[in-house]
Amino acid sequence: NAGVMQNPRHLVRRRGQEARLRCSPMKGHSHVYWYRQLPEEGLKFMVYLQKENIIDESGMPKERFSAEFPKEGPSILRIQQVVRGDSAAYFCASSPGGVLHEQFFGPGTRLTVL
Amino acid sequence: AQKITQTQPGMFVQEKEAVTLDCTYDTSDQSYGLFWYKQPSSGEMIFLIYQGSYDEQNATEGRYSLNFQKARKSANLVISASQLGDSAMYFCAMREGEAAGNKLTFGGGTRVLVKP
Repeated sequence: NAGVMQNPRHLVRRRGQEARLRCSPMKGHSHVYWYRQLPEEGLKFMVYLQKENIIDESGMPKERFSAEFPKEGPSILRIQQVVRGDSAAYFCASSPGGVLHEQFFGPGTRLTVL
Repeated sequence: AQKITQTQPGMFVQEKEAVTLDCTYDTSDQSYGLFWYKQPSSGEMIFLIYQGSYDEQNATEGRYSLNFQKARKSANLVISASQLGDSAMYFCAMREGEAAGNKLTFGGGTRVLVKP
């Protein structure tokens, strides 16, 4: 059973470009979470999605960031008009259900904004 | 106020010795869960151990044990018989009750370096 997959593992963008980060949850998991880790810091929650629904986006910046988890295909975290401060590791986690289920983390996508 | 506090930014430990990593938390929920993750230099997040707030026994997983002191709101990780491969960042995290959703709140981490 493959784990949580994220791609790309490394992404370099110039300021003003768009970044698209993909997350394929574990088989049978319908809940996806995105976290951001700035250098030398812990992970910070961004958004929690179920298929076709955003459940909690309290950690998402108000502008330029969006997330989706369509009925088919991976979850996408999209960052428009990237700035240097967006440089970070972005982790996706998935779980089979809600509150009582462990979250399994993907390997992360390291975004560098030049 | 910080929900998860890890007061030790970095620690050295001698190979084969035990090390305790501190974690204190802040929540008003009765039902919550506490997690420890390891992040080696390669960057992935590796789940180590889980403690539920209603669990009466301290959690153990191999060389990892969690010293859960509910009244003090602390959930320290103990790594016994340290190995060189234990050198990594270690993060404590909390999942609060249903009203808070299922998100994890992480501490700032403790970097452990195991010396041969």
